[in-house]
Amino acid sequence: AQSVAQPEDQVNVAEGNPLTVKCTYSVSGNPYLFWYVQYPNRGLQFLLKYITGDNLVKGSYGFEAEFNKSQTSFHLKKPSALVSDSALYFCAVRDISYSGAGSYQLTFGKGTKLSVIP
Amino acid sequence: NAGVTQTPKFRILKIGQSMTLQCTQDMNHNYMYWYRQDPGMGLKLIYYSVGAGITDKGEVPNGYNVSRSTTEDFPLRLELAAPSQTSVYFCASSFGGDRTSGGTQYFGPGTRLLVL
Repeated sequence: AQSVAQPEDQVNVAEGNPLTVKCTYSVSGNPYLFWYVQYPNRGLQFLLKYITGDNLVKGSYGFEAEFNKSQTSFHLKKPSALVSDSALYFCAVRDISYSGAGSYQLTFGKGTKLSVIP
Repeated sequence: NAGVTQTPKFRILKIGQSMTLQCTQDMNHNYMYWYRQDPGMGLKLIYYSVGAGITDKGEVPNGYNVSRSTTEDFPLRLELAAPSQTSVYFCASSFGGDRTSGGTQYFGPGTRLLVL
């Protein structure tokens, strides 16, 4: 079974400061990991993913995430937060050791609300 | 490309009524999914499809049905609406079998459903 935990329901950060949104995962084998962002009354928008290779992944809008296998974490980061970054962020995992018709399913965390304060 | 489109955007149903939520994608993705999103609960998978004519249950399938007659369309049917089905519904699609994408899912804008 695969699972994702986002330990913080809400993160507040001042504009211009660095931000981190935390994510830890659990899988039987090796993971593919994803971050999505949801703005109010909108669908989820893909930000970035880790499949293989460099543990530091860069994505859209200046976001990046670091895959840490020993800590089973995939935290989302940005060096300088913008007010427009305020949104709901979801981490998701896919266990690639699983085979079968449902092997492309993603399991999502409950989401973290990011508020960037001007 | 329009990506994933969903209709309607918002609907109010009375208890016991039925309706179909429409979902269409123009990316030629073989996999499609239906999720519901409830506040503070993340996304729960209702049904998914790995190709035309093939569907399977997700985590919360009770009260819903799906069909997949074409690659592009994946409608979700509610037969007897209940207040517990009040939620926001998202359709998504992905390209299974592509190592580059890793199964990245692309989402529609959602349908907000209120059952009274």
